[in-house]
Amino acid sequence: NAGVTQTPKFRVLKTGQSMTLLCAQDMNHEYMYWYRQDPGMGLRLIHYSVGEGTTAKGEVPDGYNVSRLKKQNFLLGLESAAPSQTSVYFCASSIGQGPPDTQYFGPGTRLTVL
Amino acid sequence: DAKTTQPPSMDCAEGRAANLPCNHSTISGNEYVYWYRQIHSQGPQYIIHGLKNNETNEMASLIITEDRKSSTLILPHATLRDTAVYYCIVRVSRGGADGLTFGKGTHLIIQP
Repeated sequence: NAGVTQTPKFRVLKTGQSMTLLCAQDMNHEYMYWYRQDPGMGLRLIHYSVGEGTTAKGEVPDGYNVSRLKKQNFLLGLESAAPSQTSVYFCASSIGQGPPDTQYFGPGTRLTVL
Repeated sequence: DAKTTQPPSMDCAEGRAANLPCNHSTISGNEYVYWYRQIHSQGPQYIIHGLKNNETNEMASLIITEDRKSSTLILPHATLRDTAVYYCIVRVSRGGADGLTFGKGTHLIIQP
């Protein structure tokens, strides 16, 4: 099992450009999440999904959109990137039943917006 | 979810037990204590969780006080690879909905 994988690992964008971050999991998990982590801070939840075809807003959803067309994939989109979106983005997944409600995280995508 | 308080940093000698405290004085009866860690530049990693009883797994032990207002994560024989930021998270187990709330955690540095 690869677990949770994220594509790409690094990306540099110019202000106003768009991009999509891909998260894939091979554990047949129901729930998937997107977090961002700014320097010296803990993770903050952007959006999450409790099943294929469903998404919901987290703590910091503005400027991002998501889609969960397939159970194993969760996409995070930036339509018009801004320097404030420079961050490390982590995807996670969980079985969807708890406890323990354990989340498994991917390796992260480091995004810089100039 | 209840708020947690952790020291910002701690040192521990390699081979010794590392004891990481967490205060969660406002914890509710149905809230669990979770510990995750994040090694530099990697995604967070689940360590252990508990409700009332002490718990142990292959990575660590979790000691929860009887009044549940605080807990301690114990790494029995710390190695250099245990250097990481450790997060104590208290939350109701909702089956995953609405994610985890990460504070700033404790930066544990294992000294050779």
